[in-house]
Amino acid sequence: SQQGEEDPQALSIQEGENATMNCSYKTSINNLQWYRQNSGRGLVHLILIRSNEREKHSGRLRVTLDTSKKSSSLLITASRAADTASYFCATVPLGSGNTGKLIFGQGTTLQVKP
Amino acid sequence: GAVVSQHPSRVICKSGTSVKIECRSLDFQATTMFWYRQFPKQSLMLMATSNEGSKATYEQGVEKDKFLINHASLTLSTLTVTSAHPEDSSFYICSASRPDLAGFNEQFFGPGTRLTVL
Repeated sequence: SQQGEEDPQALSIQEGENATMNCSYKTSINNLQWYRQNSGRGLVHLILIRSNEREKHSGRLRVTLDTSKKSSSLLITASRAADTASYFCATVPLGSGNTGKLIFGQGTTLQVKP
Repeated sequence: GAVVSQHPSRVICKSGTSVKIECRSLDFQATTMFWYRQFPKQSLMLMATSNEGSKATYEQGVEKDKFLINHASLTLSTLTVTSAHPEDSSFYICSASRPDLAGFNEQFFGPGTRLTVL
């Protein structure tokens, strides 16, 4: 069952601008991950943040995690047209064992206009 | 490393037939494989978790007899959609997990299979 909500559902920005996407989840987690999906393709893992971490950076990506609010945000700085894709957060629920089972949010569709 | 393939990438079948989709981890042995389905413009919904040599664990609401999963080896899992109907048309994605150096099971996703049932 899906447990994540993401907002906005769709985001359209100009190249060079920053894009911020938010994710909320319902249950306690082991970690939260962000993925990217180009239309009709598989998923690409972007970044993982553990439940005891508050912020993480990877290149132009910045992820925050607030476990008290059960929310996370993904910031893409200096966006490029090639960043156009759908972005999903996914959580590994606490107590799901060591399988790495993922529960996905509903996703944000990002369009970056050149 | 950590490449996952799916075959076929696209399949069109008639209503009532069965379709088998393969998921392979090409360069690693996967402790667990997962199957998801994704409807257009929607998120991925976990269907089942599969471990080699044991029965798959299905998510609530997923029909076991409709979606047969076989995990015969550490590098191959198959999903068979039995007696397919048009409402089964969807994008099916598999993933395979392996532990990283920290012991965390990271998932690697296949490219997906587009199933269209006429």
